[in-house]
Amino acid sequence: GQQLNQSPQSMFIQEGEDVSMNCTSSSIFNTWLWYKQDPGEGPVLLIALYKAGELTSNGRLTAQFGITRKDSFLNISASIPSDVGIYFCAGHSQKTSGSRLTFGEGTQLTVNP
Amino acid sequence: ETGVTQTPRHLVMGMTNKKSLKCEQHLGHNAMYWYKQSAKKPLELMFVYSLEERVENNSVPSRFSPECPNSSHLFLHLHTLQPEDSALYLCASSQGLQAYEQYFGPGTRLTVT
Repeated sequence: GQQLNQSPQSMFIQEGEDVSMNCTSSSIFNTWLWYKQDPGEGPVLLIALYKAGELTSNGRLTAQFGITRKDSFLNISASIPSDVGIYFCAGHSQKTSGSRLTFGEGTQLTVNP
Repeated sequence: ETGVTQTPRHLVMGMTNKKSLKCEQHLGHNAMYWYKQSAKKPLELMFVYSLEERVENNSVPSRFSPECPNSSHLFLHLHTLQPEDSALYLCASSQGLQAYEQYFGPGTRLTVT
């Protein structure tokens, strides 16, 4: 089946630093989504991308749909303690059935004040 | 209430018990999903409903039985579970099967003893 490789698995950064994480696939996706999950809560949708090359921002977060359509990137600028959590990428492919999304394993972000 | 709600938030049950998880979406969506989230693993899709009709059953054991009485409510009936079924169970909804932005509830943390 399809897999998404998300990296890094975990990051430990200082408050104020910028963060980059990415998601890659061996097959083409036509939609990329980025979610954040706080401890004990469900994932919250941050950004949705629908077009190759698309760059979309949501506050301090910026995500890009890779030109090859096999990857996506999420950047967080000037991190703050409440950015702590697990960030998941998810993708949808024309080849998958119905509305099935493929999820990455997540990047655990820790921000030290 | 807004968004997607789930009850209970925490559940401990014995292997011989029968219990039900409830999900309600207040977004006017037509598709609803059950996912299982285990530690260190990507989200696993269990069931998909569209307009109250089950459209996908992802090889889930029969001890999990979903029910969708209307487009706003989704249940997951549990019976004779195993300890390995302990996980976070997430409900999500989307506008329709072809709307890939899925919105998640906070989840039910299930522990099977």
